[in-house]
Amino acid sequence: DAGVTQSPTHLIKTRGQQVTLRCSPKSGHDTVSWYQQALGQGPQFIFQYYEEEERQRGNFPDRFSGHQFPNYSSELNVNALLLGDSALYLCASSRILITSGSPLHFGNGTRLTVT
Amino acid sequence: DQQVKQNSPSLSVQEGRISILNCDYTNSMFDYFLWYKKYPAEGPTFLISISSIKDKNEDGRFTVFLNKSAKHLSLHIVPSQPGDSAVYFCAASAKETSGSRLTFGEGTQLTVNP
Repeated sequence: DAGVTQSPTHLIKTRGQQVTLRCSPKSGHDTVSWYQQALGQGPQFIFQYYEEEERQRGNFPDRFSGHQFPNYSSELNVNALLLGDSALYLCASSRILITSGSPLHFGNGTRLTVT
Repeated sequence: DQQVKQNSPSLSVQEGRISILNCDYTNSMFDYFLWYKKYPAEGPTFLISISSIKDKNEDGRFTVFLNKSAKHLSLHIVPSQPGDSAVYFCAASAKETSGSRLTFGEGTQLTVNP
């Protein structure tokens, strides 16, 4: 039973470029959430996707966008990259009917470095 | 606005002793609190959770205590083992949002010395 898988594991981009990160949820899960973890900080919620729509969004600018496909996998896109976007990007999956307090399953993340 | 705070960036304990990790929160709408453990190059893994209607939850060596009036929770690990060395995150979810939207603290690096 594969867990949450993310690709690539590492990525180096230049300021102003665009990047796409990918996530496949755990088998049986239909909801994907994305988090950004800056160095020395805890993960911060970016947004959640369910039924191919963005359902909730954290305090991130419109440069951050996403997509969910019919097979529940998801992409995170970041446009016009800034140095401050350098972080570990974590994908988490769950079932939409997850009750508060039920654990999320996280992937190992994509380490993005913007130079 | 940091709604969940872990004021100790690091904690070092001896193997076999108790580890106590602390977390404070400000949002009264949080109804569940969770602890995650994170090893380098891995994603966070769920450890234990507690509902806001309880004051204690225990799972093996791990116990979480919740003091609602003080908006404070703590994770106790007894006995501590070297394999427990990791970053521990406190997280919370609120009633009005889905359980997949968590607010995390900054994390505490626990080191258990043999």
